[in-house]
Amino acid sequence: GAGVSQTPSNKVTEKGKYVELRCDPISGHTALYWYRQSLGQGPEFLIYFQGTGAADDSGLPNDRFFAVRPEGSVSTLKIQRTERGDSAVYLCASSLGTSSYNEQFFGPGTRLTVL
Amino acid sequence: ELKVEQNPLFLSMQEGKNYTIYCNYSTTSDRLYWYRQDPGKSLESLFVLLSNGAVKQEGRLMASLDTKARLSTLHITAAVHDLSATYFCAGVREKLIFGQGTELSVKP
Repeated sequence: GAGVSQTPSNKVTEKGKYVELRCDPISGHTALYWYRQSLGQGPEFLIYFQGTGAADDSGLPNDRFFAVRPEGSVSTLKIQRTERGDSAVYLCASSLGTSSYNEQFFGPGTRLTVL
Repeated sequence: ELKVEQNPLFLSMQEGKNYTIYCNYSTTSDRLYWYRQDPGKSLESLFVLLSNGAVKQEGRLMASLDTKARLSTLHITAAVHDLSATYFCAGVREKLIFGQGTELSVKP
């Protein structure tokens, strides 16, 4: 079956602009995670959803970042007033549930470049 | 708070040699994962280690877990160029906590 998909694969924007990054999880996966990977670093947790609700948003760096999952499937990560430091690869993952015993499956990522 | 540290961060190996990547974690982790990442690509799951003493092998890679020492190792046997990539370990407490990654370069 289809894996996790993310769109766009690449996004170039100018400082101060607003961007939306989309994640389509594996069908039937109730848990969805967003991570951010800066150049030369390991992925860092941003937020995860169980169903429609954000169960843990402790990794969001500031209030310019927001994520939604209105119908418990597709999720959108929204970044306002982008800054150059937001440039990174944004990875989405999904799993059957939020238990640590459910493996997370990663999408291909969206590479965001803020000029 | 779970923290994960890997070493070395960079590893240049000759083909045919053996080496080990170490992954230390600071507190209890429900599982331990190893991932491979090729440049510009996403994460490929290599191993999931579930319990103390777990050992898994796939080709030239073998991963082990010592939960008492809070240590996992990824051992590379007789390295080949195709193994060149960045390797991450990750602990999990609902969310994944990744190490910094080990950039492996295997040279002829």
